[in-house]
Amino acid sequence: DSGVTQTPKHLITATGQRVTLRCSPRSGDLSVYWYQQSLDQGLQFLIQYYNGEERAKGNILERFSAQQFPDLHSELNLSSLELGDSALYFCASSVGGYGGELFFGEGSRLTVL
Amino acid sequence: DQQVKQNSPSLSVQEGRISILNCDYTNSMFDYFLWYKKYPAEGPTFLISISSIKDKNEDGRFTVFLNKSAKHLSLHIVPSQPGDSAVYFCAAMNKGTYKYIFGTGTRLKVLA
Repeated sequence: DSGVTQTPKHLITATGQRVTLRCSPRSGDLSVYWYQQSLDQGLQFLIQYYNGEERAKGNILERFSAQQFPDLHSELNLSSLELGDSALYFCASSVGGYGGELFFGEGSRLTVL
Repeated sequence: DQQVKQNSPSLSVQEGRISILNCDYTNSMFDYFLWYKKYPAEGPTFLISISSIKDKNEDGRFTVFLNKSAKHLSLHIVPSQPGDSAVYFCAAMNKGTYKYIFGTGTRLKVLA
C-alpha cells in the first residue's frame, strides 16, 4: 500500500460527459502528479501541483483541468469526453516538488463508450 | 517527442539468470533516473534510482547502471525470480523542472 488513494477505481461513462477523479496523497506529501496510461502506452505526464500551486504541465488537453485543495487532495476533471480518453489515470505524490521518488496510487480506469 | 525510450517491449528470462532492461534518453539535461515496477491492476512501485553524479547504484538483487555519454541506463536483476515478472518503467527528470518523464515500459517474464 503506497498510501496514495484514488477514487473511483473504475468509471464508465458516455462521450460528451464530464467526470472527476480524486486523489489523496500520502500523509505529509505536498506534491501531486497526474499521469495517463492508454492501452499499452507509457505513463504520459499531465500536470503537477505543489502545495496547492500548479508547478509543471505536460500533455494535458484543454478539456482537462486539475486542482489541489488546501487539504492537499487533488482532483482531475475531464470534460467533453471522447472515446480516446479511455485510459488508466494515475495519481502520484512525493514529499516535495524537486526530485525524490514518486508514490503511485492504484489508478482510476476510465471507459468512455 | 519521446524523450525516454524503452525499445524492447518484452523480455523473457529463465529463473536464476540475469535480466537486463534497457532505457535510452535524449535530453542531456536529465540528471535523475528511476526504475519502477508495475503489476497488473496495481500502480507502479519504486525500485531504484540513480543520480547523474553516479554511474552505478545497487540495492539487493537490483543494480542500475548509467552511461551519461551514451545517454543510456540499464537495470540488472540478479538472480531473476518468477515474482519479478511485471512491466518495468524507467523514468527521468531534470531537477531544474518538476516533470518525471516515463518510458513506454518493458514487460519482463521470468520463466520457472
